[in-house]
Amino acid sequence: AQTVTQSQPEMSVQEAETVTLSCTYDTSESDYYLFWYKQPPSRQMILVIRQEAYKQQNATENRFSVNFQKAAKSFSLKISDSQLGDAAMYFCAYRPNSGGGADGLTFGKGTHLIIQP
Amino acid sequence: DVKVTQSSRYLVKRTGEKVFLECVQDMDHENMFWYRQDPGLGLRLIYFSYDVKMKEKGDIPEGYSVSREKKERFSLILESASTNQTSMYLCASSLPQIQETQYFGPGTRLLVL
Repeated sequence: AQTVTQSQPEMSVQEAETVTLSCTYDTSESDYYLFWYKQPPSRQMILVIRQEAYKQQNATENRFSVNFQKAAKSFSLKISDSQLGDAAMYFCAYRPNSGGGADGLTFGKGTHLIIQP
Repeated sequence: DVKVTQSSRYLVKRTGEKVFLECVQDMDHENMFWYRQDPGLGLRLIYFSYDVKMKEKGDIPEGYSVSREKKERFSLILESASTNQTSMYLCASSLPQIQETQYFGPGTRLLVL
């Protein structure tokens, strides 16, 4: 069974600084997708960024980027120029490329990100 | 924009009651999912559906059932609610391809007394 581990229950960063959230996963699959989702307080979960395992280039979305190390099974999220609106729970998630895409996501336990003004 | 709505934001039920949680999506998505979110445990998949009347068990299906009679609607049923089912329940939908984003509803916070 696949597992996703987020070892940092809570992180704090000063506004405008850079923060990195860690995620490791365990799988025997070679083809899969990894995702970072954000859940702001009392608001809906939204996708931040995704990475396909077969792509060596790290995904980037504006201030958000990932460091994907397939051999190490590591998928960290870097947030640059942190803003107050980045405060949220961040979940790392995994989905294998099997089952025709109908499989659900396997989530980590989440990291609570606090932005200090 | 994709919209996923859930019938209730907050729900209080008694032990032993039958509970229905409804989820509706407006983007013609084939896949729909029910997750349970608990502090310190993240989200865990209860059931998912890839087509009308089709369902698959997720990681924690015990004590739950689901119904998908129409493509846009996916219901989670607690046949006999128990206190350990007090939780936040999140519905999601997506297109069938693996890389597609799952779009989440706002969640239903269920308290079973």
